Amino acid sequence: EVQLVQSGAEVKKPGESLKISCKGSGYSFTSYWIGWVRQMPGKGLECMGIIYPGDSDTRYSPSFQGQVTISADKSISTAYLQWSSLKASDTAMYYCVRHGSGNYYRMPFDSWGQGTLVTVSS
Amino acid sequence: QSVLTQPPSVSGAPGQRVTISCTGSSSNIGADYDVHWYQQLPGTAPKLLIYGNRNRPSGVPDRFSGSKSGTSASLAITGLQAEDEADYYCQSYDSSLSGSRVFGTGTKVTVL
Repeated sequence: EVQLVQSGAEVKKPGESLKISCKGSGYSFTSYWIGWVRQMPGKGLECMGIIYPGDSDTRYSPSFQGQVTISADKSISTAYLQWSSLKASDTAMYYCVRHGSGNYYRMPFDSWGQGTLVTVSS
Repeated sequence: QSVLTQPPSVSGAPGQRVTISCTGSSSNIGADYDVHWYQQLPGTAPKLLIYGNRNRPSGVPDRFSGSKSGTSASLAITGLQAEDEADYYCQSYDSSLSGSRVFGTGTKVTVL
């Protein structure tokens, strides 16, 4: 069974750094793109970017380029989403997702993590 | 900055049929990129409902169906049930945004 298990909720202050994680199991972690999706309170879904753990090829959505860093450690089947200086507007639920195998432009997000709630408040 | 537009809400009585539209443009749906649909039940993570415009993953009831035409796609729910009350999102690929995956604005389905 494919599973994506994310790290727990975080409460941080503005300006602090943060790294949240997503551990994949039940499949070949290096063979599937992993993405991160943001959902702000009461709002819709936004794709932040994706990474291919096999070679660390990373692609960011324009709105998130330079705002976050996506990385992966294939030795422990774990992907990461990182901020160097959090803002109150980063308060949101963050989901990691597995991108289906096959045509890069046509595949859905076929598995979702349980979500990590990040709260940034002074 | 959703580039796929959905109605904010739709509603129907149990047993009825409802449809949700997803309107895009020539750089996403109209460029022949596939459309996928996700269901987000209250307080839970989204799950894949329809992929490749019209295909259902294992375990998804056949009362959910998808279609695509031109620059739009649709999700239909027939025989609406109380447990279908949720938020629904379409998703595709957009070639004009540095190659980004984009979601629709989301639709809340209410079962009356």
